[in-house]
Amino acid sequence: EVQLVESGGGLVQPGGSLRLSCAASGFTFSSYAMYWVRQAPGRGLEYVSAISSNGGSTYYANSVKGRFTISRDNSKNTLYLQMGSLRAEDMAVYYCARAIFGVVGDAFDFWGQGTMVTVSS
Amino acid sequence: SYELTQPPSVSVSPGQTASITCSGDKLGDKYACWYQQKPGQSPVLVIYQDYNRPSGIPERFSGSNSGNTATLTISGTQAMDEADYYCQAWDSSTGVFGTGTKVTVL
Repeated sequence: EVQLVESGGGLVQPGGSLRLSCAASGFTFSSYAMYWVRQAPGRGLEYVSAISSNGGSTYYANSVKGRFTISRDNSKNTLYLQMGSLRAEDMAVYYCARAIFGVVGDAFDFWGQGTMVTVSS
Repeated sequence: SYELTQPPSVSVSPGQTASITCSGDKLGDKYACWYQQKPGQSPVLVIYQDYNRPSGIPERFSGSNSGNTATLTISGTQAMDEADYYCQAWDSSTGVFGTGTKVTVL
């Protein structure tokens, strides 16, 4: 059974940093591109970032480019999102998701339960 | 930047057909997919590559994509289909989600 479990969310001050993790199981993690998607309270879904299966290619939404870094450790079956210079508008539930056929540009076929990031002083 | 526009809400009676549109410039030249999200839950993929259903998704969900519009159709709508629905496509390696549509089953 495919499982994606996010962790690392919490309360952080504006300008602060946070690292999210997504532990994957039930599939060959190293064969799949992965994504981060966020959803602000009461709002719609927003694409954040993508990474290829081997980690060699990364992509970002303009809203987070230069502040967030996506990475992965295929030996640990874990996806990461390092978030810096956090702003109030970054407050959201952050989901990790898998690319259905393993390539960036595929649909998001499995999603984690999400982890909440609150940015407030 | 690329945008996908959906109607904010759609109402449907049980057993009837609900159609949700997603509009974007030359969307028909890209693959569209659709996600269902119920309150307090993570999104679920219901249609990928315009019209394909993942395993476990009921046949009443179907999709199409042509010109500037992708459409998700729910035939024989059931109360359990009440949810928010989002279309999604890719533009220059950037994922783009639609504005979302709340489907209410009256």
